[in-house]
Amino acid sequence: KNEVEQSPQNLTAQEGEFITINCSYSVGISALHWLQQHPGGGIVSLFMLSSGKKKHGRLIATINIQEKHSSLHITASHPRDSAVYICAVRSTSGGSNYKLTFGKGTLLTVNP
Amino acid sequence: DGGITQSPKYLFRKEGQNVTLSCEQNLNHDAMYWYRQDPGQGLRLIYYSQIVNDFQKGDIAEGYSVSREKKESFPLTVTSAQKNPTAFYLCASNQDAYFNYGYTFGSGTRLTVV
Repeated sequence: KNEVEQSPQNLTAQEGEFITINCSYSVGISALHWLQQHPGGGIVSLFMLSSGKKKHGRLIATINIQEKHSSLHITASHPRDSAVYICAVRSTSGGSNYKLTFGKGTLLTVNP
Repeated sequence: DGGITQSPKYLFRKEGQNVTLSCEQNLNHDAMYWYRQDPGQGLRLIYYSQIVNDFQKGDIAEGYSVSREKKESFPLTVTSAQKNPTAFYLCASNQDAYFNYGYTFGSGTRLTVV
């Protein structure tokens, strides 16, 4: 079982819809990252969370440390939001607390 | 604007040849990382460097080598010993490898072995 699981793997939405992408992890963490990868391949960091909730524009990220779960929400989705969204965690396990463990990503397609 | 520059964007290599991927940052970050991305898999860490002249193996270091002679530069060499080098390679940096900082990523290099 992967340490970081994302769902769904693929998501298609109509413009304007509210979107939720989920991330579950199985290890203790010090931080969780949400990243966005566009078709060209470059990655942009969206959020880094250790507790609670963060908001930036139409994007909202939440984390529940007790349940080992995070969600990324996109309000009023737009075709330009189409990308792969990647969840990554920084484990607190000894010997691996310097690195990120990545989920496989969620491919979001927003149709006009 | 500060950022990470990876070059080239596309690279073709013949089997048995070594090839070097460039990664340069002007963010004054201490830590730099190389990741490999394969279809259907999460990014995997190849090497990371916390300071100049020091670097550590990640999860999949076999067949790769790196150097960190300058703070700004962290080139990755894919050697002929890497059995399956065709992949997308991403370079990243942040202020410190051992504390929680956000990451900046490059735009990647797609390597194809022909």
